[in-house]
Parts: sequence; C-alpha cells; structure tokens
Amino acid sequence: EVRLVESGGGLVQPGRSQRLSCAASGFTFNDYTMHWVRQVPGKGLEWVASIGWNGADTDYANSVKGRFTISRDNAKNSLHLQMSSLRPEDSGLYFCAKDVGVQSLVVFDSWGQGTLVTVSS
Amino acid sequence: ETMMTQSPGTLSVSPGERATLSCTASENININLAWYQQKTGQAPRLLFYGASIRATGFPARFSASGSGTQFTLTITSLESEDFAVYYCQQYHKWPYTFGQGTTLEIK
Repeated sequence: EVRLVESGGGLVQPGRSQRLSCAASGFTFNDYTMHWVRQVPGKGLEWVASIGWNGADTDYANSVKGRFTISRDNAKNSLHLQMSSLRPEDSGLYFCAKDVGVQSLVVFDSWGQGTLVTVSS
Repeated sequence: ETMMTQSPGTLSVSPGERATLSCTASENININLAWYQQKTGQAPRLLFYGASIRATGFPARFSASGSGTQFTLTITSLESEDFAVYYCQQYHKWPYTFGQGTTLEIK
C-alpha cells in the first residue's frame, strides 16, 4: 500500500524559510516522479512543484519559482520542499503526491494527508 | 495558463439519481484531463485520468468522457459516499491547473 507522510509544516513569519518533507513507502520510490500540491483550506488545489525520478528534472509553478526548491533522496525514500522568502499567500495545506505512471504525466494518484503551513507575523 | 472552469459550482442531487459535472478548458488539452474526488478533511483521490480511464477503487457508476475543451463526469445511482467535491485538472501543458471544484451535495 502506498503511504505518503508529510511533515515540517507550522507557523512561520513572512520572509522566513521552512522545509517540508515527505516519507514514502509501499512502492518503488525511485521509479516515480513526485509532486507537491497545495490547498488553501476551504479553497481549490494548486500544483506547486514536480521532480523527476532521479532528481535531475524539476518544474515549478510561477508563483513559487525562484523561492521554492524541490528535492528528493532516493536512498531514504524521501521528498522535500525547501521554501524561502515565504509570503502570506503561501499559506495552505501542502500535499505530497505520487505520479500515476513511471513515465511522468503530472497526474496525482496517491496523496499524503498534508502538512499545514501558516505564514503570518 | 490554461484555465479550467467547472460547472455548476454546487450540484444538489438526491441519492439514487444521476449527477453530471462539467469541466471546460480554455484551450485544447486533448484528453490530458484528470478528475479527483475530495471528501471533507481528506486528501483528494484520483478518480479518472486520460479523460476516461477510471482509477483503481471506483465503481462503474462513475464514468467520464470528453476531449479537446469539454469534459464530463457522470455518476449514476448516487450513493451517500459519493457526495464530495470534485476537481478536474489538466496536465496537457505547464502550468498544470485545476478547476475550482464542484460540490456535489445531497438534495
């Protein structure tokens, strides 16, 4: 069974940094592209970033490009999102998600339960 | 950016009846469309991708169709567990965008 468990959320001041992590199990982690998707509670979903199976290819939404860095450690089956220069509009529930296919489609077939990030002074 | 528009925003249907949800893309996305179901307090769950390929775990009363810019999700014989928020998402081109969601509520 695929299991994704996010951690690292919390209250952070504007302009500061925060690092999110996702522990993956139940599948061959280094076969799959992985993603971060966020959701403002009660609102819609926003794709944030993606990383290819070996970490060489990354992709970001315009809203986070240059401030967020996605990375992975295949030896530890973990995914990370380093967030810097945080803004109040970055607040939300951050989900770690697995791609549906070995060949990346940017379709999210397994999700964690999310970790909540609140950017506020 | 490809805009995804879902209609209606809220759909009230009685159990046992049929629900039809729509998703419109602002440009041609071929069949590069996914649907997700999200229940309150839970993560979204993949329902369909490739516009009509049903994901594991969903029964045949769920169906989806469409291509280009117009897509439809149909749920027949609604059951209590089907009442949720449904999102469409295009993965045809960057940035990968979601619709605003349709809330399917019990009438």
